[in-house]
Amino acid sequence: GAVVSQHPSWVICKSGTSVKIECRSLDFQATTMFWYRQFPKQSLMLMATSNEGSKATYEQGVEKDKFLINHASLTLSTLTVTSAHPEDSSFYICSAEGGQGYEQYFGPGTRLTVT
Amino acid sequence: AQKITQTQPGMFVQEKEAVTLDCTYDTSDPSYGLFWYKQPSSGEMIFLIYQGSYDQQNATEGRYSLNFQKARKSANLVISASQLGDSAMYFCAMREGRRDTGRRALTFGSGTRLQVQP
Repeated sequence: GAVVSQHPSWVICKSGTSVKIECRSLDFQATTMFWYRQFPKQSLMLMATSNEGSKATYEQGVEKDKFLINHASLTLSTLTVTSAHPEDSSFYICSAEGGQGYEQYFGPGTRLTVT
Repeated sequence: AQKITQTQPGMFVQEKEAVTLDCTYDTSDPSYGLFWYKQPSSGEMIFLIYQGSYDQQNATEGRYSLNFQKARKSANLVISASQLGDSAMYFCAMREGRRDTGRRALTFGSGTRLQVQP
């Protein structure tokens, strides 16, 4: 099956700094990728839809200036958490659609802890 | 209104027995897809099974089957012959609209934590 990777798998940063998370489709091209956030013991919530070559579409309540998304190529989307605060600590997961199939392929997730 | 409802926060099942995880959904779109994912403690989302709204037969994938009752808007996951490795969080999800024109992101339910006991 198709593989989506995320880097880093976990990161600890200090409050006020920025963190970049990469999402890559390794063996297929993904014109659209999705970024989800999952707080402990909760479900996945969609943050934004990332489209290659165009601006991301953010869900209501998600600050676009805080969560910068760039989808510069068909295999890479990045999420940058700017001026991170402890409340941004969460599990961030990306997914990508591949080819003609219905399936969404999820990355392994990135656990962000802001101290 | 909740789009996806999973009413069982936690479930226990004995090893080798079958278990049903409930999922109901709400949509007015005639075209949609329903998914089940498994999330072990590592956090990765493992795709289990998919059911399209126009599929005539219930989906099956190995030990997983989806009991799709369209009129009741339910899509329950049945795991047969449970194994210890099945212990995990299970999420039901839906994508609304046509695959080529509709909203392609998934909406997830709150999840059910399944524990398989030896």
